[in-house]
Amino acid sequence: EDQVTQSPEALRLQEGESSSLNCSYTVSGLRGLFWYRQDPGKGPEFLFTLYSAGEEKEKERLKATLTKKESFLHITAPKPEDSATYLCAVQDQGAQKLVFGQGTRLTINP
Amino acid sequence: NAGVTQTPKFQVLKTGQSMTLQCAQDMNHNSMYWYRQDPGMGLRLIYYSASEGTTDKGEVPNGYNVSRLNKREFSLRLESAAPSQTSVYFCASNINYEQYFGPGTRLTVT
Repeated sequence: EDQVTQSPEALRLQEGESSSLNCSYTVSGLRGLFWYRQDPGKGPEFLFTLYSAGEEKEKERLKATLTKKESFLHITAPKPEDSATYLCAVQDQGAQKLVFGQGTRLTINP
Repeated sequence: NAGVTQTPKFQVLKTGQSMTLQCAQDMNHNSMYWYRQDPGMGLRLIYYSASEGTTDKGEVPNGYNVSRLNKREFSLRLESAAPSQTSVYFCASNINYEQYFGPGTRLTVT
């Protein structure tokens, strides 16, 4: 059964303090690993798709990386507007659906 | 281009009442999905539709029915609401394995 575990559950950083969020996954065959951002009271917003180990994607202060067992979302010099819950999801080959982790709630203090 | 829209935004039902949650997308996507999001449980798939005219059960389908009315619209029906169905419901559509979410419906069943 496909599984996704995100850690930590919550992370509080000071503005400018870089860190990483972890997403560990188990799938029989990975079609894709997805990162989303969710603000309170809103739907998840798509950030990145990673398809194979070694792949990296960047967007502003965020960089996502992928290995065969986990993905990291690195946040460099974060700002308060980066505060949100970050969700990781995987899709198995041949499957239509995504399996989501429970998310990491990130708070950036000014 | 509105993306994925959902109505209503909020709803309060009494146990045993029925209602339909509406979802529409204007991105010409083939696949559409219904999720529920509960604290500590993450996003869980209720039903999905890979293409117009087809629907399939997800992880938590009991107590729900769906209709893929046409390529744009995918509705979720609660025939006899129960307090356990209190949740936030998200609709999503999919292109190239990337899912795009609506703003959500917050449903409370008393």
